Amino acid sequence: DSGVTQTPKHLITATGQRVTLRCSPRSGDLSVYWYQQSLDQGLQFLIQYYNGEERAKGNILERFSAQQFPDLHSELNLSSLELGDSALYFCASSGTSGGGEQYFGPGTRLTVT
Amino acid sequence: AQKVTQAQTEISVVEKEDVTLDCVYETRDTTYYLFWYKQPPSGELVFLIRRNSFDEQNEISGRYSWNFQKSTSSFNFTITASQVVDSAVYFCAQMYNNNDMRFGAGTRLTVKP
Repeated sequence: DSGVTQTPKHLITATGQRVTLRCSPRSGDLSVYWYQQSLDQGLQFLIQYYNGEERAKGNILERFSAQQFPDLHSELNLSSLELGDSALYFCASSGTSGGGEQYFGPGTRLTVT
Repeated sequence: AQKVTQAQTEISVVEKEDVTLDCVYETRDTTYYLFWYKQPPSGELVFLIRRNSFDEQNEISGRYSWNFQKSTSSFNFTITASQVVDSAVYFCAQMYNNNDMRFGAGTRLTVKP
């Protein structure tokens, strides 16, 4: 158990809808990273927050957004969902602002029908 | 461009065999970090090791060992005396700019009893 929690475990929704994925980092970790794992794209870095502020952006679509709250939990919002957004979404946390080891949560499997 | 290549898509061995998973990375940066993660059938990503670009010392942890060679841009992972529980997908990753993590496509290791 990495200490990172993600909810929900599974999510099934329809195209065009909006969903919110939630992540709680390990106790004491200030950084939260979001990743997408799909069969065709592999594991891709989406975005990082550090202590409430956006720190880095990867291959995140404009339809996707994230935020980190004062209690350090983070939410990833996915809107105008398309079939291609079906994937496993991981959150990871780290004790540093960059370069440190990241501990991953169990993931949220999103299915868009 | 930053890129991580895991040329072996799938490897199958018999228990107690040694196996090496290859990882080659491309970077123009002088400061970067290299990682290995394990993804067992249950789906979570388990952190195995982190290496910074200034530390070329090889590392051994139980049956696991890592060989980092900057001259060949490689960071290979060896499992000695493999066990069925080692069956998983293994990902090599490189972090640059302190935040952007690029993963290889993964190597699926199957250890047969």
